[in-house]
Amino acid sequence: SQQGEEDPQALSIQEGENATMNCSYKTSINNLQWYRQNSGRGLVHLILIRSNEREKHSGRLRVTLDTSKKSSSLLITASRAADTASYFCATDAATDKLIFGTGTRLQVFP
Amino acid sequence: DAGVTQSPTHLIKTRGQQVTLRCSPKSGHDTVSWYQQALGQGPQFIFQYYEEEERQRGNFPDRFSGHQFPNYSSELNVNALLLGDSALYLCASSLEVTTGGNSPLHFGNGTRLTVT
Repeated sequence: SQQGEEDPQALSIQEGENATMNCSYKTSINNLQWYRQNSGRGLVHLILIRSNEREKHSGRLRVTLDTSKKSSSLLITASRAADTASYFCATDAATDKLIFGTGTRLQVFP
Repeated sequence: DAGVTQSPTHLIKTRGQQVTLRCSPKSGHDTVSWYQQALGQGPQFIFQYYEEEERQRGNFPDRFSGHQFPNYSSELNVNALLLGDSALYLCASSLEVTTGGNSPLHFGNGTRLTVT
């Protein structure tokens, strides 16, 4: 079963625009992580935000977490064609295993 | 520093057969997790191994079993294959997680299993 759901399922933008993806989850968490997956390959860890943090930055990435709404967002600023990938949120659901969401497929056109 | 390696990269099997997938974790990592990813879906947690024991298990039948060796490498075995087992199988390694799952996962590129 999926703990998280990303929204939108698919997103198409032009290079230079910002991309925002949202993640909603169901149960209490200790932390939330975002991963990227290029077509047919393994996932790459992007950023981890703990339940007591509200916002975190890493390069062109900005992640927010609202535990009262059980939601998170990932913002990619100044998108590049190389950002084309699927993006997944993952939560630990108070256990040691990570449960992934359904993913957002991002297409960035040159 | 070698990352997570998985073998084979692709595999075609027939219904009813058995398959073994292999994973070598990133150097220094001691915990291995396995995920199944159907086309267009998110990865689904199968199980996690630490100190050669299955520590956590997802909602998968007993046809799915695993093993972790003293060198931390791991195998995933699937018996009595079904068409629905066709998927990308991903191995991920991490350091032994403290309470709260604070350790990011490092993934291999997966094994693409096709069951015909």
